[in-house]
Amino acid sequence: GENVEQHPSTLSVQEGDSAVIKCTYSDSASNYFPWYKQELGKRPQLIIDIRSNVGEKKDQRIAVTLNKTAKHFSLHITETQPEDSAVYFCAASLLQGAQKLVFGQGTRLTINP
Amino acid sequence: GAVVSQHPSRVICKSGTSVKIECRSLDFQATTMFWYRQFPKQSLMLMATSNEGSKATYEQGVEKDKFLINHASLTLSTLTVTSAHPEDSSFYICSAEWTGADTQYFGPGTRLTVL
Repeated sequence: GENVEQHPSTLSVQEGDSAVIKCTYSDSASNYFPWYKQELGKRPQLIIDIRSNVGEKKDQRIAVTLNKTAKHFSLHITETQPEDSAVYFCAASLLQGAQKLVFGQGTRLTINP
Repeated sequence: GAVVSQHPSRVICKSGTSVKIECRSLDFQATTMFWYRQFPKQSLMLMATSNEGSKATYEQGVEKDKFLINHASLTLSTLTVTSAHPEDSSFYICSAEWTGADTQYFGPGTRLTVL
């Protein structure tokens, strides 16, 4: 089955700097890669996603890149703000039938003012 | 749109009792619902996938007799933790999708504490 590895487990950056979180996946059939932000005790919130027919997607300060050949994808947050502090999870799935998401281990991002 | 609710948000129970958690899709018909468990400072682990009107499919290592899942309608799935023990204490999150949806939608989670 699919296995998703996420790095780093913790990341601390200065406000205004950029943050990058990386994930690798094992199943080449996976074609959907969402990123979630989770605050303590809350539900995961989808912040951006990418499908395998696209190499990059951007939404304001957030961007995701996908390298299908290497089977890795990354989340980029620019101009970080204190409210970006949270745990971020990547995931992978196959958009066919029931969409079983396999999550990475999570990255605790702390933005220092 | 695409709102999923869970009830209760928090539950504390004694060891040996059973607890039922409800997951509802409020504004769409959920053909598939998923149940996840999340231990403190860990990732979400899929427990089972349920389709309306059929038996749930459990992930490897998840005891189906302990975690009973019922998806009796297109808007409601329930997870019953039977004979709960302290090690079952966790954050249980459901999600739901409809056929052809581009993503799944998460509920707010239920914090279960077994004393």
